[in-house]
Amino acid sequence: DVVMTQTPVSLSVSLGGQVSISCRSSQSLVHNNGNTYLSWYLQKPGQSPQLLIYKVSNRFSGISDRFSGSGSGTDLTLKISRVEPDDLGVYYCGQGTQYPPTFGSGTKLEIK
Amino acid sequence: QIQLVQSGPELKKPGESVKISCKASGYTFTNYGMYWVKQAPGQGLQYMGWINTETGKPTYADDFKGRFVFFLETSASTAYLQINNLKNEDMATYFCARRGFDYWGQGVMVTVSS
Repeated sequence: DVVMTQTPVSLSVSLGGQVSISCRSSQSLVHNNGNTYLSWYLQKPGQSPQLLIYKVSNRFSGISDRFSGSGSGTDLTLKISRVEPDDLGVYYCGQGTQYPPTFGSGTKLEIK
Repeated sequence: QIQLVQSGPELKKPGESVKISCKASGYTFTNYGMYWVKQAPGQGLQYMGWINTETGKPTYADDFKGRFVFFLETSASTAYLQINNLKNEDMATYFCARRGFDYWGQGVMVTVSS
């Protein structure tokens, strides 16, 4: 299975600040069809995960442009700018290029 | 709007069975497979497998072969997860998610305690 390694495990940011979360995979996430099936999710406290970004850099419906994804191959990044109180929770990366789908262990975002 | 609504929390004893439902609305049920994901207390997300909602064929991840069963009630746009012979390590929240993990159910907490 593809191992997804997220860093940092946790981070604290001031409102209005910017943070980056890294996700590295044990294998390239480039599919034979040329797409890279790497997604980012936010799980707010007591809720189910919600899709933020799919295929590396595409924002899901209704997701603020404060969230942006980038990277390629095995090295992917989620950037959150102008952090708001509602952004707190655990962020997960997940890959769907290789079966079975696998997720990173999560990054907990706290607001200072 | 697209929604996946799951059944309520469950309290079971070791050795018992539990059946969790996931009712879909707002889209054509048979056009998207349904995934199942386990989240143990304080832990991350673990893919359990998926069911083809067009054919009813389930596919289980390696850790979930044997006691876990996925099935459908297509006429009700509902997917089910049944866990047989419950063990302590099955205590977790179970999510259904539409293919692509774009929409998720609210999760069902299963508590296993004697």
